[in-house]
Amino acid sequence: GENVEQHPSTLSVQEGDSAVIKCTYSDSASNYFPWYKQELGKGPQLIIDIRSNVGEKKDQRIAVTLNKTAKHFSLHITETQPEDSAVYFCADYNDYKLSFGAGTTVTVRA
Amino acid sequence: NAGVTQTPKFQVLKTGQSMTLQCAQDMNHEYMSWYRQDPGMGLRLIHYSVGAGITDQGEVPNGYNVSRSTTEDFPLRLLSAAPSQTSVYFCASRHTQSTDTQYFGPGTRLTVL
Repeated sequence: GENVEQHPSTLSVQEGDSAVIKCTYSDSASNYFPWYKQELGKGPQLIIDIRSNVGEKKDQRIAVTLNKTAKHFSLHITETQPEDSAVYFCADYNDYKLSFGAGTTVTVRA
Repeated sequence: NAGVTQTPKFQVLKTGQSMTLQCAQDMNHEYMSWYRQDPGMGLRLIHYSVGAGITDQGEVPNGYNVSRSTTEDFPLRLLSAAPSQTSVYFCASRHTQSTDTQYFGPGTRLTVL
């Protein structure tokens, strides 16, 4: 999307290691930041989200952090497993619309 | 609930042909939208609707038309297909509140020759 930059585009990690994906957004009015996981041949599914009044949120092995001042937010996956292999998208919400990053292809090596 | 459904799953068109991609949801969501997904470009918004009778353009609307006559259905029309419209198309829906989960359909893979 035009508002969100996502890095890296590909990420290969050893099973059990951590994976980190970073996104930046441009509009300070954005107030909601979801992360989606897309498995091969399927539509994206929400895995975690964070609102602008919160700095960090965790759900088991995944966590998201938000730095509103720097307009950065990140996805952290700990203890990666083979089923974490997928494409991950960050997004920001502004004016009724979700704008998505270009995606990160994560491969977990056994 | 079936969630968000899309038909067809696959479609091949010739340049200049027209077709309609169907999308339906059974969650009584006010907001529906269409995205296209191309390699390295993520998901780009084509058109969206905040309720029956209301539609608006997204980031890449050219070459596509939409209508929203019911809450459940949001078809996407290609009036004269072009090779540049080869892509995977996803329909999505949610309640209008910004922090509600957006659900995606399984996608339609379209090839224009």
